[in-house]
Amino acid sequence: QSVLTQPPSVSGAPGQRVTISCTGSRSNIGAGFDVHWYQQLPGTAPKLLIFGNSNRPSGVPNRFSGSKSATAASLAITGLQAEDEAGYYCQSYDSSLSGYVFGTGTMVTVL
Amino acid sequence: EVQLLESGGGLVQPGGSLRLSCVASGFTFSSYAMSWVRQAPGKGLEWASGISGSGAGTYYADSVKGRFTISRDNSKNTLYLQMNSLRAEDTAVFFCAKASSGNAFDIWGQGTMVTVSS
Repeated sequence: QSVLTQPPSVSGAPGQRVTISCTGSRSNIGAGFDVHWYQQLPGTAPKLLIFGNSNRPSGVPNRFSGSKSATAASLAITGLQAEDEAGYYCQSYDSSLSGYVFGTGTMVTVL
Repeated sequence: EVQLLESGGGLVQPGGSLRLSCVASGFTFSSYAMSWVRQAPGKGLEWASGISGSGAGTYYADSVKGRFTISRDNSKNTLYLQMNSLRAEDTAVFFCAKASSGNAFDIWGQGTMVTVSS
């Protein structure tokens, strides 16, 4: 049972901008814990996309950006490309559960 | 090259046991916390268990607490997950993941499939 809520799906045409929300609570995002984002292509392991709310690992295109406020976070993809079609998950730490938590996941479809 | 390679998955009957292994290479294994993350077929990611770099600290999700045991052998660069009293709902791909200094999972293995069925 995920404590971070994401929309099940978002879609956009090539070149468009899409955003994915990640809604938490006072025991996770709202408590100040960092939010990280992962991309999972079909049949593969997740890949770290954004760490520490808004930082990109080396090799991740600057089309991907992250932000955080209060009890929520968001991932934006600008200049959407066909290769961005994948599942996306947010992740943080929850003090009430004393463990890491993932978002429910969002499937991005490129029209 | 930084790499994680899991093994040990398979088909097991309800109530049975299985031990997963994850061999690390390309980084100083003992310096980093590690975790197991699972994904049931067609479902999302679920953190299952974590362990500190020294192995002194272990952590579990409520869904596996009391049934799973995480451990590591830093001399062998290997992470383990002992799974007992397995249930059908434990059926999933199990990934091992390296925790970065900021607690993001920056390196993932390819995963090993665990199927619990009679």
